[in-house]
Amino acid sequence: SAVISQKPSRDICQRGTSLTIQCQVDSQVTMMFWYRQQPGQSLTLIATANQGSEATYESGFVIDKFPISRPNLTFSTLTVSNMSPEDSSIYLCSVGQDIQGPQHFGDGTRLSIL
Amino acid sequence: GENVEQHPSTLSVQEGDSAVIKCTYSDSASNYFPWYKQELGKRPQLIIDIRSNVGEKKDQRIAVTLNKTAKHFSLHITETQPEDSAVYFCAARSSYNTDKLIFGTGTRLQVFP
Repeated sequence: SAVISQKPSRDICQRGTSLTIQCQVDSQVTMMFWYRQQPGQSLTLIATANQGSEATYESGFVIDKFPISRPNLTFSTLTVSNMSPEDSSIYLCSVGQDIQGPQHFGDGTRLSIL
Repeated sequence: GENVEQHPSTLSVQEGDSAVIKCTYSDSASNYFPWYKQELGKRPQLIIDIRSNVGEKKDQRIAVTLNKTAKHFSLHITETQPEDSAVYFCAARSSYNTDKLIFGTGTRLQVFP
């Protein structure tokens, strides 16, 4: 399966600031997703990152708070904007080679907001 | 939309025993069911998956069974080892929303030596 690199692996941020998380894949993939995993919880899909167009957001997540870019088939970014302590979580990138195939996760970004 | 329920939330077994985790889904159009293992502080790792045209799939000590009529699927781990201790997540993907996985709530498995 593809090698997925996510940066940063962790960060501690101040309230009100923004952080951009990067996801780089070593091969072209059709599908890229961003998930949030709060401590001890399951995986919640934030949005599907669409190459060359706006991301598709799930209920409860909006573009102003979580802007996403996907300039090509190997790279995507997720920005967490105007952070508050409630945004403290692990953010995970996931990729799929094709629409019907399996998905694989990056190592995640552990984000803490003070 | 799709909803996936997972049971039990925690499971403790003795090394060498079997472990079974069950999931039910709501969308009869779901056709793909993966299982992920997440060790503490690590990424979820795909361990096995099954499609709706298959009733059972095995890979060494792990197996997954699917009952489409009842809309449930199960993960079976035989001869458990301490290294199997982790949180396991099931998921389902609908043939209508073919890009989205809906995850269960997770099962924390502890294998005692």
